[in-house]
Amino acid sequence: ETGVTQSPTHLIKTRGQQVTLRCSSQSGHNTVSWYQQALGQGPQFIFQYYREEENGRGNFPPRFSGLQFPNYSSELNVNALELDDSALYLCASSPELPNYGYTFGSGTRLTVV
Amino acid sequence: EDKVVQSPLSLVVHEGDTVTLNCSYEVTNFRSLLWYKQEKKAPTFLFMLTSSGIEKKSGRLSSILDKKELFSILNITATQTGDSAVYLCAVALPYGGSQGNLIFGKGTKLSVKP
Repeated sequence: ETGVTQSPTHLIKTRGQQVTLRCSSQSGHNTVSWYQQALGQGPQFIFQYYREEENGRGNFPPRFSGLQFPNYSSELNVNALELDDSALYLCASSPELPNYGYTFGSGTRLTVV
Repeated sequence: EDKVVQSPLSLVVHEGDTVTLNCSYEVTNFRSLLWYKQEKKAPTFLFMLTSSGIEKKSGRLSSILDKKELFSILNITATQTGDSAVYLCAVALPYGGSQGNLIFGKGTKLSVKP
C-alpha cells in the first residue's frame, strides 16, 4: 500500500508568479484535503475534494484553486503569489467521506521571494 | 468561530521525564479529537478519541478526552530524544463545511534533551 506522495518537495517562486503543487493519494482513498501550514502554526484547511468535486473550502481567496482527477490524485494551484503564501502545503487523503483516518503527505515547502 | 488551543506551545525536558500536553477546544459540531506527531513534515497519526474518559494507550503514549470540560491530554512517559517533535491536536468536524474536516491547534513543540 503506497502512502500519500507530494511533489515537488521544495519550491522557490517569485511574488506574482503561479505555482502548481501535486498530490497522489493513498491507494483506495477518494477524498483529498489540502492544508497550509505557516511556520510555527497548525495546518489551516484550504479545500477538500471528493470524487472530483470540491466539497468544502476554507477561508482562502479564489487565487487558490484545485482539481481532483479520476485516479483521485489532486493539484493545488496558487496564482499571483504573495510573500505570505510561503508555507508548508500538506495534502491528506482518506478512504471515505466523512472519514477521519487521514494520511498526510510530507508536504511541499513553498518559499515566495 | 470554532477553535483548538494547545498548551504549552513549547516544552524542553530531559530524557526519562514524563510530559503532559494539553488541548482544549470550542467546537459546535464535535465528532472526535485527534493527536498527530509532526517531526519534519508529514503529521503522523497517534490517537483518535471519541468518548469521554476512555484512555487510549500506545506504548509510552496515552491520551484521554473530557467532553464535559472540552479538553484532552496527551501523556508521554519515560521520554526519549526520538519523542522530540511538534504534537498537533485536531478536532474533526462534519464534512463539507468551511472549516474542513480537521481544525488544528498551533501545536506543542517538545524537545527532549539527552
